[in-house]
Amino acid sequence: ETGVTQSPTHLIKTRGQQVTLRCSSQSGHNTVSWYQQALGQGPQFIFQYYREEENGRGNFPPRFSGLQFPNYSSELNVNALELDDSALYLCASSAGSFWTDTQYFGPGTRLTVL
Amino acid sequence: DQQVKQNSPSLSVQEGRISILNCDYTNSMFDYFLWYKKYPAEGPTFLISISSIKDKNEDGRFTVFLNKSAKHLSLHIVPSQPGDSAVYFCAASFPQGGSEKLVFGKGTKLTVNP
Repeated sequence: ETGVTQSPTHLIKTRGQQVTLRCSSQSGHNTVSWYQQALGQGPQFIFQYYREEENGRGNFPPRFSGLQFPNYSSELNVNALELDDSALYLCASSAGSFWTDTQYFGPGTRLTVL
Repeated sequence: DQQVKQNSPSLSVQEGRISILNCDYTNSMFDYFLWYKKYPAEGPTFLISISSIKDKNEDGRFTVFLNKSAKHLSLHIVPSQPGDSAVYFCAASFPQGGSEKLVFGKGTKLTVNP
């Protein structure tokens, strides 16, 4: 139990639609990071939020966006879904914004795009 | 372009023996390395880390070795237990800057046989 929860567990969407994935961090954790894990791959860093501001971004297009709220919850939004967006989406929270701060991962949301 | 490589997709060892998981990286700018363990239907769990100023870090049954000249790190588990059966991810980060990303390998599936 990491104290990090994600919803929904599974989701099926069609190409072109928009999706919102949710994450609830551990209380007191000011940093949330989002990752995409395709089948057979390791997690790929999408972006990080620290105290409600984007604090770093990986190689993902602008149609991937996020929000972080003061109540330690956050969202990942993906517009204009493509087939390749099918993956497990993981969020991870940490107390600080450095990679030396231990990240606690949620169980993930499995997104399928048809 | 894979900057962090785990060339063995799977590894099988007997209970009580040593498990050695390997990881190679290409970017000499990486200065902090982590190992995560992932069980099915759960998010990755932090296992152990090492800074580039060290060549070894030990935590109970788990030891990580870093060879900077070879750009290679390894995770040793001694003795291996059936509960260690999981997918192990190696990850690396750039110097602290707040916005740099964490790069994961594809993972190695470890099976410890009773």
